[in-house]
Amino acid sequence: GAVVSQHPSRVICKSGTSVKIECRSLDFQATTMFWYRQFPKQSLMLMATSNEGSKATYEQGVEKDKFLINHASLTLSTLTVTSAHPEDSSFYICSARAHSANREPQHFGDGTRLSIL
Amino acid sequence: SQKIEQNSEALNIQEGKTATLTCNYTNYSPAYLQWYRQDPGRGPVFLLLIRENEKEKRKERLKVTFDTTLKQSLFHITASQPADSATYLCAPPVDAGNMLTFGGGTRLMVKP
Repeated sequence: GAVVSQHPSRVICKSGTSVKIECRSLDFQATTMFWYRQFPKQSLMLMATSNEGSKATYEQGVEKDKFLINHASLTLSTLTVTSAHPEDSSFYICSARAHSANREPQHFGDGTRLSIL
Repeated sequence: SQKIEQNSEALNIQEGKTATLTCNYTNYSPAYLQWYRQDPGRGPVFLLLIRENEKEKRKERLKVTFDTTLKQSLFHITASQPADSATYLCAPPVDAGNMLTFGGGTRLMVKP
């Protein structure tokens, strides 16, 4: 089955640090990858959509200069939280879709728990 | 505005019973709807997709219905097991953009 690997699974760092999270599709090529943020006991909130080789599309209210997304290949997308602050602490999850058809299911990584001290 | 509502209260049932979870949506008509399972600290896992022209979809012990008149999808787990305990998310697409929007999820607890 389609496997998405997300790394690291947990990060604890000081305020002001930039943190990079990687999302890899291991056994398929992902034309589209998605980045979500999830607060405890809340739903997934879409942050941005990225297509390989093009700029990411950010959802309203998400600062693109704060959350840098790079989708350099069909198997790798990265999210960099720049100058992270305590309010950026959250559970970040990526997903990938194997085909361009929108009805295709998304395959999720296991998330990254980011804690900013 | 478009809204997706799932019962935010946990559903507690006895092992062997059928669990029924509800997903209601308002102010739009999705062409399909997906259901996912999420375990604590993990990413969601895709379970089923049902299209607007399908009244019902089954996969092993899972059954999903889609009532476009009521604007509601029901997710059933028959012969439930403690291993079915998780949060279940419904996810219809948002308009022509087809970006999935996830409901808040319903936590299911199956007790032995």
